Amino acid sequence: AQKVTQAQTEISVVEKEDVTLDCVYETRDTTYYLFWYKQPPSGELVFLIRRNSFDEQNEISGRYSWNFQKSTSSFNFTITASQVVDSAVYFCALSEWGGKLIFGQGTELSVKP
Amino acid sequence: EAGVAQSPRYKIIEKRQSVAFWCNPISGHATLYWYQQILGQGPKLLIQFQNNGVVDDSQLPKDRFSAERLKGVDSTLKIQPAKLEDSAVYLCASSQDSGTDTQYFGPGTRLTVL
Repeated sequence: AQKVTQAQTEISVVEKEDVTLDCVYETRDTTYYLFWYKQPPSGELVFLIRRNSFDEQNEISGRYSWNFQKSTSSFNFTITASQVVDSAVYFCALSEWGGKLIFGQGTELSVKP
Repeated sequence: EAGVAQSPRYKIIEKRQSVAFWCNPISGHATLYWYQQILGQGPKLLIQFQNNGVVDDSQLPKDRFSAERLKGVDSTLKIQPAKLEDSAVYLCASSQDSGTDTQYFGPGTRLTVL
């Protein structure tokens, strides 16, 4: 069965610190997709990244970077030089063919000034 | 381009009452999803539509929940009668196609059942 685990329930950092959010997934399929979404206090889920199972290249977008390792079934998310506006709940999600997203429990990130 | 629209944003009802939520997906998106997010948890899929047909409703409590997507555009999710455990945020999402396209979410409807 598919499963996504985000072991860190809450993380608190001070502004400008780097922070890594962990995501471990389980699936029997060889073709699947991984996602990260941000949920600020307003409640809307904001799409951050989509990565397919055949592309293990790390990706960087501004202060955000993602490390995908199939060998450990992990898809970790790093924010460099965190800012107060990064405070939110972050969800990792898995999708196999069909579209249904399986979400982790979420990690609540608090960035203090 | 306009995002996914949902209404109402908030709703408070008594148990055993009925309630309906509305969703308008991004223009041209064939696939529409309804998710339920209970406080402190990740969203869970209730139902998935491809155009106006149901693709997956295996997690929908069909004794009290119903959903429709007439004409393959807007969708309505209804709960009748509501229970205390239905208190949650109901999120609508859409994607261009099913399969593995990125899903874009609306702002959600926060339901409180008293």
